[in-house]
Amino acid sequence: RKEVEQDPGPFNVPEGATVAFNCTYSNSASQSFFWYRQDCRKEPKLLMSVYSSGNEDGRFTAQLNRASQYISLLIRDSKLSDSATYLCVVMRVGNTGKLIFGQGTTLQVKP
Amino acid sequence: NAGVTQTPKFQVLKTGQSMTLQCAQDMNHEYMSWYRQDPGMGLRLIHYSVGAGITDQGEVPNGYNVSRSTTEDFPLRLLSAAPSQTSVYFCASSYAAGGGYTFGSGTRLTVV
Repeated sequence: RKEVEQDPGPFNVPEGATVAFNCTYSNSASQSFFWYRQDCRKEPKLLMSVYSSGNEDGRFTAQLNRASQYISLLIRDSKLSDSATYLCVVMRVGNTGKLIFGQGTTLQVKP
Repeated sequence: NAGVTQTPKFQVLKTGQSMTLQCAQDMNHEYMSWYRQDPGMGLRLIHYSVGAGITDQGEVPNGYNVSRSTTEDFPLRLLSAAPSQTSVYFCASSYAAGGGYTFGSGTRLTVV
């Protein structure tokens, strides 16, 4: 079993839709959590960190459930430019900077 | 700021050849890492560093060496290239272990 698991999709949604991605992690010692965005053949870019209290950045909302060991990302009012692969990332306790990446979930927003 | 700069962007090697992938950052970040990305596998950590002179192995270190003589540079050396090392390689850096990482644009390596 992979340490970080995501549904690879693809998720095909119309513009304006709300879409949610989930991610589960197996190591209960995971300490920090992130969502990265990766466009085709480009480098990953940090979308947002995920905090226990949940956090929002414009149309994006991230939630963390430590008890169930899952992380979610909600995108409201989807734009064509949101089409990308979304990577769930966790870091283990110890602050070593070792990031563990999920396989990614592909989103395709259609007009 | 240039951010994280990787060179070369593309490289073709013959089996058995060695080469060094270069990575430099100008943000004075202590934490630097090398990842490889293969289809269906996600990004996997090869080696990482928490500061100049300090490196450690990641998930898939075999066949690769690193050193960190300065804060700015973190080169990745392929000792004897194998077709299994055909991949996209990303270097990343961060100001803190729990901070967000900035990635370079990647090196696409093909070993024939």
